[in-house]
Amino acid sequence: GAVVSQHPSRVICKSGTSVKIECRSLDFQATTMFWYRQFPKKSLMLMATSNEGSKATYEQGVEKDKFLINHASLTLSTLTVTSAHPEDSSFYICSASRSGGRANEKLFFGSGTQLSVL
Amino acid sequence: SQKIEQNSEALNIQEGKTATLTCNYTNYSPAYLQWYRQDPGRGPVFLLLIRENEKEKRKERLKVTFDTTLKQSLFHITASQPADSATYLCALYNQGGKLIFGQGTELSVKP
Repeated sequence: GAVVSQHPSRVICKSGTSVKIECRSLDFQATTMFWYRQFPKKSLMLMATSNEGSKATYEQGVEKDKFLINHASLTLSTLTVTSAHPEDSSFYICSASRSGGRANEKLFFGSGTQLSVL
Repeated sequence: SQKIEQNSEALNIQEGKTATLTCNYTNYSPAYLQWYRQDPGRGPVFLLLIRENEKEKRKERLKVTFDTTLKQSLFHITASQPADSATYLCALYNQGGKLIFGQGTELSVKP
């Protein structure tokens, strides 16, 4: 299967700092990348959809100025949590799509980033 | 509103038994339904996809059924093993082309 690499796997930061998370599709070109957030024992909640070369589309309730997404190439998307606060602590997971979300397409996921804001 | 619901209670079974997990959905008309496995601290891994006109799909010890009348999918693991212990997620694409997940069911297989 296709490989999606996500870094870092774990980050601890002080409140007020910004954290960048990278998501790379290693062996295919990802037309679309999705960013999810997951709290313990809860489902994955879609935060935003990013398409290469265009602005990300954010889900309702997700602050676009807090969670900056850049999809500069077909193999790289980044999520920057700006001025992080303890309530931003969560597990962030990216996924990559070849087709942009066709109904029969399986997604490939990164291994996730556990963010802890002190 | 649209919902994807899975049994939130953990499922504990003995090794060798069949595990059956349930996924119910409302206000969707999916042409496909997917199942993923997620281990602690990891991203989900795709397992199976089933089409609306397929009643059943199998892959090794896994079997998925899809009943569009009941709006339900069942996920079975036969001859379960401790290595099958994980959280299993069902997922559907919404009309906006986004994959939406149920909350997952945690399976624990005891030796």
